[in-house]
Amino acid sequence: EVQLVETGGGLIQPGGSLRLSCVASGFTVSGNYMSWVRQAPGKGLEWVSTIYSTEITHYADSLRGRFSISRDNSKNMLSLHMNNLTAEDTAVYYCARGGGDAFDVWGQGTVVTVSS
Amino acid sequence: EIVLTQSPATLSFYPGETATLSCRASQNVSPYLAWYQQKPGQAPRLLIYDVSHRDTGIPARFSGSGSGTDFTLTISSLEPEDFAVYYCQQRSNWPLTFGGGTKVEIK
Repeated sequence: EVQLVETGGGLIQPGGSLRLSCVASGFTVSGNYMSWVRQAPGKGLEWVSTIYSTEITHYADSLRGRFSISRDNSKNMLSLHMNNLTAEDTAVYYCARGGGDAFDVWGQGTVVTVSS
Repeated sequence: EIVLTQSPATLSFYPGETATLSCRASQNVSPYLAWYQQKPGQAPRLLIYDVSHRDTGIPARFSGSGSGTDFTLTISSLEPEDFAVYYCQQRSNWPLTFGGGTKVEIK
């Protein structure tokens, strides 16, 4: 079964850092575009970052420099490192297959809450 | 950045009616336009990719059309499970962008 499972969300203080992970099953992350998409409470979908090919990455302009996407092919896992978090980063973070293609497989999401 | 505008934000229908949702892009994104459905508490689901291609398992009552900057998602004969929020998304240029969404609600 093709599946994505995210972990790593939680409550973090402003200025803190967090690492989200996403384990894939039924396909390889190395052979696909892989992305993170987030959704703030009550808001729409916002693309965050995509990784593909020989570690080519793209980021939303507003997040460049604070967020870093990576993948571990040996663990079939995608990660998102987030630094200097603010309240505006509070959201459900989804891992998704796609980016260069449409997003055809989504995880269930992991909740990140930035608050003191 | 390509801006996708979905309007109106909310549409109301009776079950069995046909819904037509609009997505307008600030520049040409053909053919790289997709549509997603999202229900409360769930992850989005891909319905349509590359303007008009239904994803695997998507019922035939969902169809996509359009070109250039104007696109439409049509849901024929709305079923109770179709009442949800729908987003369009472009992959023509980086950064990838989503429309603001249209909520299809029961009248």
